[in-house]
Amino acid sequence: QKEVEQDPGPLSVPEGAIVSLNCTYSNSAFQYFMWYRQYSRKGPELLMYTYSSGNKEDGRFTAQVDKSSKYISLFIRDSQPSDSATYLCATSYSSASKIIFGSGTRLSIRP
Amino acid sequence: NAGVTQTPKFRVLKTGQSMTLLCAQDMNHEYMYWYRQDPGMGLRLIHYSVGEGTTAKGEVPDGYNVSRLKKQNFLLGLESAAPSQTSVYFCASTKDRDRIGGGYTFGSGTRLTVV
Repeated sequence: QKEVEQDPGPLSVPEGAIVSLNCTYSNSAFQYFMWYRQYSRKGPELLMYTYSSGNKEDGRFTAQVDKSSKYISLFIRDSQPSDSATYLCATSYSSASKIIFGSGTRLSIRP
Repeated sequence: NAGVTQTPKFRVLKTGQSMTLLCAQDMNHEYMYWYRQDPGMGLRLIHYSVGEGTTAKGEVPDGYNVSRLKKQNFLLGLESAAPSQTSVYFCASTKDRDRIGGGYTFGSGTRLTVV
C-alpha cells in the first residue's frame, strides 16, 4: 500500500468552477501536509502547507486536513486556465523528515 | 536568480552506456536531492545530500551513484544504464532541515530514455 494515494485524473472542469482535489494517507503519524503544483515540463513548486488538522486559506486556494479519516483536500475557487497543472499532495512526519509525495492529479481548466 | 539548473534537459542512452546528470543551485542551500518521476509512481527519492561531501541513499538508490564535491553541485551517475531507468529526473534543494515551510526548489527535470 502506498503511503499517499491520489486519483491520477485527468480532471477537467470549466473556468470559474470550484475544484476539489483529494488524497488519502495511511500513517496517522504524519503531521505536515503539503500541496505542490507542477506545470507541464517543469519541476513541482510548493503551493501551500498545513500542520496537523484544520484548514488553511491562501487566496483562491484552501487546504484541508481531516486526520480522523486520513484525508487531505485542496479546493480551488474561481478556477482559471492558468491553474491547469498536476497537483501533488505530500506528507511528512516532522519539519526535518523526508517528504513523501503522492503521484499527482492532472487538472485541466477549460476556458 | 537561476535557482536549480539541471543539465542536460533530454538524453537518449543505449543500454549499458553511462552518463552523469548535473544539478547546480545558486541559493547556498545545504540539502540537495535527486528524484525520479514515473507515471503512477510519483516522486521517488534516489539519493540525497545534507551538505558538501556527504551523500545518503534514498528510496530507490540501486543503479545510481552520486557525488557532492562542491556545495552548489550534486551529480547523479548511471554507470550502466538499463531501460528501467527511463524516467524524468528531478533535482531539488532546501536551505536547511525545515523542509516544509520553505519548500523544495526543484529544477525543470532531465528526460532520460534508455533504449
